[in-house]
Amino acid sequence: KQEVTQIPAALSVPEGENLVLNCSFTDSAIYNLQWFRQDPGKGLTSLLLIQSSQREQTSGRLNASLDKSSGRSTLYIAASQPGDSATYLCAVPSNTGKLIFGQGTTLQVKP
Amino acid sequence: KAGVTQTPRYLIKTRGQQVTLSCSPISGHRSVSWYQQTPGQGLQFLFEYFSETQRNKGNFPGRFSGRQFSNSRSEMNVSTLELGDSALYLCASSSAGGYNEQFFGPGTRLTVL
Repeated sequence: KQEVTQIPAALSVPEGENLVLNCSFTDSAIYNLQWFRQDPGKGLTSLLLIQSSQREQTSGRLNASLDKSSGRSTLYIAASQPGDSATYLCAVPSNTGKLIFGQGTTLQVKP
Repeated sequence: KAGVTQTPRYLIKTRGQQVTLSCSPISGHRSVSWYQQTPGQGLQFLFEYFSETQRNKGNFPGRFSGRQFSNSRSEMNVSTLELGDSALYLCASSSAGGYNEQFFGPGTRLTVL
């Protein structure tokens, strides 16, 4: 049974710092991995989708990497800003297609 | 292209009542999935509809049901509401299902008193 874990649960950094969020999964036979952002009380915003055949995917200041063999993905945020404060979730589809989510990392970027 | 819309955004109900939530996917998308989000359990899959057929179902009681219309809009119904049903209900839209990129709506916040 696929399990997704995100550590740490919370992270606080000063503005301008580069940071890495971690996501691990137990079954390496994934189809893809998706990173989302969620602001308090709001829906999920898709940030990046990385296919199983890809190693990296970039969008602006965000870079997601995928290492299937080790069951890990990282989301790198460059030059963090207070507006980046949110909860970041990673998810992989199960063999039936439903998304399995990690518990998320809540990021606070202090001015 | 308009995003995923969900109505209503907020609902307050009392125990024993029933509720219907609506989701309109991105134009051209045929798959709609529903998730329940609570602080304790995180995001849990309810069901997925594709071309008016339920394709997948999560581990929720039969009080939770859904349907999809020919225009891909989907509704979710919860009958005999319980306090524990208080949650943010999110729907996700994709072109063909879970292996494609999922786009979420803003959610419906349901409070059961």
